[in-house]
Amino acid sequence: EPEVTQTPSHQVTQMGQEVILRCVPISNHLYFYWYRQILGQKVEFLVSFYNNEISEKSEIFDDQFSVERPDGSNFTLKIRSTKLEDSAMYFCASSENAGQPQHFGDGTRLSIL
Amino acid sequence: GIQVEQSPPDLILQEGANSTLRCNFSDSVNNLQWFHQNPWGQLINLFYIPSGTKQNGRLSATTVATERYSLLYISSSQTTDSGVYFCAVDAGANNLFFGTGTRLTVIP
Repeated sequence: EPEVTQTPSHQVTQMGQEVILRCVPISNHLYFYWYRQILGQKVEFLVSFYNNEISEKSEIFDDQFSVERPDGSNFTLKIRSTKLEDSAMYFCASSENAGQPQHFGDGTRLSIL
Repeated sequence: GIQVEQSPPDLILQEGANSTLRCNFSDSVNNLQWFHQNPWGQLINLFYIPSGTKQNGRLSATTVATERYSLLYISSSQTTDSGVYFCAVDAGANNLFFGTGTRLTVIP
């Protein structure tokens, strides 16, 4: 069964540095998403992406964050000037279309020191 | 935004027991999914069930959309069922709102 893949599985970064989290969505899916989960808390929506542009974003997704689909297969989340509170598990997901089931990757655990 | 409440927050079961997890939501939805988060943090998609009933092995789920709730049934629980179970709903903005989860511990 096709799956969403995320790299790296764990990223450790110094505060203030920039990080790029990578995702390869399922190939025939049109919608892509990023979510985050701070340790011990629920999963929170960050942003959705369709047709090469952001379709929805949450209050969390401020100017520190950006997303990009640099080629036909990858979908990236960039976090600039990282802060301690950015430490979390970041999940990428994709769906075939709007309202269809979202399939999640295994996540990238981001640790900011 | 839409509110998603799950109960109970914690549940401890003896292996072999059955359980029911509940998810209440505050608005009509066009997508509802149940996930199992295992001890390694992976989110495993259990069901896509905006309405009706589905079964997959020892697990089944029912969503009554008109009454704004969904139930996840786990029968003959096993230690590998331990983890956190999340309900997540989409009220039309095409993003999932997650509940706070039910932490299930199955003891041998």
